[in-house]
Amino acid sequence: ELKVEQNPLFLSMQEGKNYTIYCNYSTTSDRLYWYRQDPGKSLESLFVLLSNGAVKQEGRLMASLDTKARLSTLHITAAVHDLSATYFCAVDPRSGNTPLVFGKGTRLSVIA
Amino acid sequence: EAGVAQSPRYKIIEKRQSVAFWCNPISGHATLYWYQQILGQGPKLLIQFQNNGVVDDSQLPKDRFSAERLKGVDSTLKIQPAKLEDSAVYLCASSQPGQGNTEAFFGQGTRLTVV
Repeated sequence: ELKVEQNPLFLSMQEGKNYTIYCNYSTTSDRLYWYRQDPGKSLESLFVLLSNGAVKQEGRLMASLDTKARLSTLHITAAVHDLSATYFCAVDPRSGNTPLVFGKGTRLSVIA
Repeated sequence: EAGVAQSPRYKIIEKRQSVAFWCNPISGHATLYWYQQILGQGPKLLIQFQNNGVVDDSQLPKDRFSAERLKGVDSTLKIQPAKLEDSAVYLCASSQPGQGNTEAFFGQGTRLTVV
C-alpha cells in the first residue's frame, strides 16, 4: 500500500523568508501533484510533475521530483501572506489514471 | 470550461438519517472519483468510476455507502444510515484517462455534519 508522508505538517514562517516542504512516498511512481487548499475551499492544482528530475515554478513556489529518492519538494521563496493555505502532495501509484493518494497536508501560515 | 459541480454545498443531518450528494464532472471526463476529507487530513478515495463502471471501491464502506454513475456522466453518493464519524467534506473529482497527464480536477465539495 502506497504511503505518502509530508513534513512539516504545520509551518509558521515570516514574510520574506524561504522554506521547503517535503513529500516522501513509499512505492515507485513518476507522477506527483501538488495542490493548494484554502479554508473551506476545494483543492486547486498547483503543479504536475511527470518525470524524474521535473522542476516547475510558478511565482514564489517551485516544485521538484526525484523519483529515485521517492521525494518531492515544494520550495517557497520570500513568502508573502497570500501563500497561507494548506498544501497537499498527491501521488499516482500506478502512473496513469489511478486514484491519487494524498499526504496529510502542510498547513502554512505566513506572518508579518 | 466549466469545472466540477457538486451539490449541496452544506448538509446537516442527524445520525441514522440518510443523505445523498450529487456531482457533475467536467464535460468529456470519463473518470470520476469520490473522496472523503476529514478535518485536518488529506482526501481519501472512496470510489472511482470509469464511464459508468466501478474501477475501485475497495475503501468504500459498503454497509452504509453507495454510489452510482448510471449514464457515465453525473454521479450520486449516498450514505444510509449516517454515523457521527461520517462528518467530513465529500469531494468529487474528474479526470481524462490516458498515459500522459491524468490530473484530477476537484469540485468545491459538500460539507456534511452528522449530529
